[in-house]
Amino acid sequence: QSALTQPASVSGSPGQSITISCTGTSSDVGGYNYVSWYQQHPGKAPKLMIYDVTNRPSGVSNRFSGSKSGNTASLTISGLQAEDEADYYCSSFTSTTTPYVFGTGTKVTVL
Amino acid sequence: QVQLVQSGAEVKKPGASVKVSCKASGYTFTGYFMHWVRQAPGQGLEWMGWINPNSGGTHYAQKFQGWVTMTRDTSISTAYMELRSDDTALYYCARGTAAAGSFDYWGQGTLVTVSS
Repeated sequence: QSALTQPASVSGSPGQSITISCTGTSSDVGGYNYVSWYQQHPGKAPKLMIYDVTNRPSGVSNRFSGSKSGNTASLTISGLQAEDEADYYCSSFTSTTTPYVFGTGTKVTVL
Repeated sequence: QVQLVQSGAEVKKPGASVKVSCKASGYTFTGYFMHWVRQAPGQGLEWMGWINPNSGGTHYAQKFQGWVTMTRDTSISTAYMELRSDDTALYYCARGTAAAGSFDYWGQGTLVTVSS
């Protein structure tokens, strides 16, 4: 099972919106509404930001939103803030013998 | 509040095994699967497997079969992962959500360093 494909880096200025893509196949992203997104600051554990493609856990800012089209899922961060600078990973349930796969990760830089 | 507290950093020799623990609190331990995720230094996240704390049933990623054993002790709400691989990495336990599609709470991570 190959990792889902994410851009290595995305950057934006404070207040701007950015979008991170996560591309898989019909066996994972395209086949299930079980895409989630995680934020990881340096030296910290990952934090769930979006689950089941579009849902935000309690306590996560509504500046974070998720969507999916075909085999590609996306995370959008609007009103970019300095605290959003972190690594972001997508994940999906899969139909293979390894039922979960993560993305390659995207480093978000706030300019 | 839900908390997952992992055991401290370990140094192991090549070929030896190490056992990492993950103590859960703030919820019914047997009600949620526990997953383990690996992160090599400077690298991304990699799903290793899960254990069903209720039944003890496990499922490992193909890559880790034969290299890892997941167990649990329901009397102390603790999950364990025994590793026999020679990869230095950070290992996280993470609770699976009820809908099974994501991981909603994570431990702080346990660094396992392989050194002779």
